[in-house]
Amino acid sequence: GESVGLHLPTLSVQEGDNSIINCAYSNSASDYFIWYKQESGKGPQFIIDIRSNMDKRQGQRVTVLLNKTVKHLSLQIAATQPGDSAVYFCAENSLLNAGGTSYGKLTFGQGTILTVHP
Amino acid sequence: DAGITQSPRHKVTETGTPVTLRCHQTENHRYMYWYRQDPGHGLRLIHYSYGVKDTDKGEVSDGYSVSRSKTEDFLLTLESATSSQTSVYFCATTRQNSGNTIYFGEGSWLTVV
Repeated sequence: GESVGLHLPTLSVQEGDNSIINCAYSNSASDYFIWYKQESGKGPQFIIDIRSNMDKRQGQRVTVLLNKTVKHLSLQIAATQPGDSAVYFCAENSLLNAGGTSYGKLTFGQGTILTVHP
Repeated sequence: DAGITQSPRHKVTETGTPVTLRCHQTENHRYMYWYRQDPGHGLRLIHYSYGVKDTDKGEVSDGYSVSRSKTEDFLLTLESATSSQTSVYFCATTRQNSGNTIYFGEGSWLTVV
């Protein structure tokens, strides 16, 4: 079936460095992608999203890049801080049809553990 | 934050007992989901709801049932808990169709002994 995966399960960086977390997806029909951050003992927290008609989107200290040619998604975190330490998931939003309408269903990758050292 | 509250947050139960987890949301979101999260599997969809009394199965629905009698509440029931259902369960909601951010609750930790 369709799946979303990550290239690197762990990433360790020094405070102040830029971090890049990668994700590969396989469903070429997906039109919406989301990055989530999950801290220990908490639920996934929305970071940034991007639609398939875009190749780049910037937020506060974060940038998401989408390369549809190779089905690759990345999250860049600028000036990484210890508070950024968490598990990061990419998710692919595919459409389900039910009840006469369509809605999103997320398929998640395994997650990358980001550790930021002071 | 979509005003999602899960209860209970932590529960230990015995094999064979029924368990119900509750998800309550205050944002009037139409769509609600139950996921489970396990090491090595990430987040997997159990059941979802696209409206009051409208539910359907996700990828790991065996052993689970759901009910949605009100917009704000989505219940997940383990009819007869098994040790394989020891997991962290997350409720999620979204306003409408694809392209809208899906928000998650804080999780319910369930241990079946």
